[in-house]
Amino acid sequence: DQQVKQNSPSLSVQEGRISILNCDYTNSMFDYFLWYKKYPAEGPTFLISISSIKDKNEDGRFTVFLNKSAKHLSLHIVPSQPGDSAVYFCAASAGNAGNMLTFGGGTRLMVKP
Amino acid sequence: DAEITQSPRHKITETGRQVTLACHQTWNHNNMFWYRQDLGHGLRLIHYSYGVHDTNKGEVSDGYSVSRSNTEDLPLTLESAASSQTSVYFCASSETRTENTEAFFGQGTRLTVV
Repeated sequence: DQQVKQNSPSLSVQEGRISILNCDYTNSMFDYFLWYKKYPAEGPTFLISISSIKDKNEDGRFTVFLNKSAKHLSLHIVPSQPGDSAVYFCAASAGNAGNMLTFGGGTRLMVKP
Repeated sequence: DAEITQSPRHKITETGRQVTLACHQTWNHNNMFWYRQDLGHGLRLIHYSYGVHDTNKGEVSDGYSVSRSNTEDLPLTLESAASSQTSVYFCASSETRTENTEAFFGQGTRLTVV
């Protein structure tokens, strides 16, 4: 049973518009959430994270929202740029931010010029 | 600059052979992980270690083993390679903190078992 799910395998957005990537989790023990970005033939790179004591974290064009009651988080990218085209993974850990991560299946974002 | 490196980047091996994938990090991180990436599954945890001589099984550990004899290295061994182990393998490391930390990933090893 997948504990972290990304229900949209792909998303296409026009350049300059907002991209919203969604992630759901089932394990109530998760208390730290991260988004990773992955280009082909490269390792995942960290994008942004949020602790369960917060409901929002911003870093430039990227904002992550956490709704603990719904066990849902989302990543907003505003404005979207062609260079944002990549696969985005949601991940979660329990007990310690450096602990093992459980990943979602990923969402492929395509930003059209 | 600190980094995490995997070798080889690509490998083709035959069914039944023993294969070892190397992972070396210079971050001095206590935590190290091995994941595999397959279409439709995202990244799945194979084994992990929270310190020297500590190893733990992950979600998909069957057919794999690891050992941690020092802080820098966590080699992944496929005891008898199977076609189902054809995948892209990623090593990662992280430090132990309550928040504001992340796992750093290597570039990956693409393994093909024929």
